[in-house]
Amino acid sequence: DIQMTQSPSSLSASVGDRVTITCRASQNIDKFLNWYQHKPGKAPNLLIYATSNLQSGVPSRFSGSRSGTDFTLTISSLQPEDFATYYCQQSYSASTFGQGTRLEIK
Amino acid sequence: EVQLVESGGGLVQPGRSLRLSCVASGISFEDVAMHWVRQGPGKGLEWVAGISWNGGGVGYADSVKGRFTISRDNAMKSLYLQMNSLRPEDTALYYCTKDKNGWLRGYGMDVWGQGTTVTVSS
Repeated sequence: DIQMTQSPSSLSASVGDRVTITCRASQNIDKFLNWYQHKPGKAPNLLIYATSNLQSGVPSRFSGSRSGTDFTLTISSLQPEDFATYYCQQSYSASTFGQGTRLEIK
Repeated sequence: EVQLVESGGGLVQPGRSLRLSCVASGISFEDVAMHWVRQGPGKGLEWVAGISWNGGGVGYADSVKGRFTISRDNAMKSLYLQMNSLRPEDTALYYCTKDKNGWLRGYGMDVWGQGTTVTVSS
């Protein structure tokens, strides 16, 4: 099975900061990596699909990239509504989520 | 309105069975893959099972393989999860989700239900 290692597990940042979250796949998953934002009491929300495609309605401050089996979610300038937990998910073979990154206000 | 509504959750004893259902509206259900994703208390998201648009492809997490069965009825726009031999570690909020793609090698889950809670306890 494909394992997804997400880092960091938690992160403190301030409004306006640039933030990066990384996921490493245990084997090749091509471009099949997606990112979600999850807030307490709500259903998760798809942000980025297939590595770098912005889901409709998601602000352009969110972006995704890939280098081999390493994938990155970048938030260019944190807004107050961005404080949440973020998950990566591979959809290449069955599916697996990363462990999550909790983004907190500094 | 695009909507997924889950039902069937509840309190069940270890070793017993439960069947979850999800009804879709506002989407071309017959064209898309569907999934079940769960979140245990204090835990992260865990993909449970997925099924392709025509039911010809299915996949399961190792943690539920051999115990859970995913199925769909496109005429009824419904997704199901039959859960047998339930364990305390299956306790979670179970989400029904829609894939952007028709196949299991998909492009992300762009519609989520609000979830149904399953509690496995004696």
